[in-house]
Amino acid sequence: KAGVTQTPRYLIKTRGQQVTLSCSPISGHRSVSWYQQTPGQGLQFLFEYFSETQRNKGNFPGRFSGRQFSNSRSEMNVSTLELGDSALYLCASSYLGSGGSYEQYFGPGTRLTVT
Amino acid sequence: GENVEQHPSTLSVQEGDSAVIKCTYSDSASNYFPWYKQELGKRPQLIIDIRSNVGEKKDQRIAVTLNKTAKHFSLHITETQPEDSAVYFCAASSQGGSEKLVFGKGTKLTVNP
Repeated sequence: KAGVTQTPRYLIKTRGQQVTLSCSPISGHRSVSWYQQTPGQGLQFLFEYFSETQRNKGNFPGRFSGRQFSNSRSEMNVSTLELGDSALYLCASSYLGSGGSYEQYFGPGTRLTVT
Repeated sequence: GENVEQHPSTLSVQEGDSAVIKCTYSDSASNYFPWYKQELGKRPQLIIDIRSNVGEKKDQRIAVTLNKTAKHFSLHITETQPEDSAVYFCAASSQGGSEKLVFGKGTKLTVNP
């Protein structure tokens, strides 16, 4: 099976712009979670989607949003970019959302640099 | 909400020695505890996990132990090899409807040949 894929892998944006990142989960996986990784804060949970519904959200401002499509692919959007948004954005997919297997498998990430 | 503390932040061992990384969690409802290994420039890779109904789990040279009463869990790597050098993250979640992992800050393990 193909692993989790993310596009683009690298992105450079200017403060104030907006950005959309994409994640394709492992085939058959219905849950997609997004994380932000920075040297200072480590891995922080952004939000999780299951069957096109956001089930949980981390402590990030409303500038961070996401969605999931019927094929389980997910996108996250960051509006009005700030320098502090520079980070590696990781998505992870898992097979089942409730009961059963919960193992999360990560994609390679999108490295976002805001200048 | 859940808080996960991880120690030590850096660990240096000689090849062949054992390495132990410890984590504590705050939410007694947490029931799933995975460990991830992240090599430089790579994605986090799930290496082992444990659920709250189990006290210990082994997979070749790695093992994880869980003490629910004390709310701590540990990763043990025996017979370390240079390729074990990486950053290791512990995490906790209370699964059953929401796949939110709360991560520790990570431990940079260096195995010296």
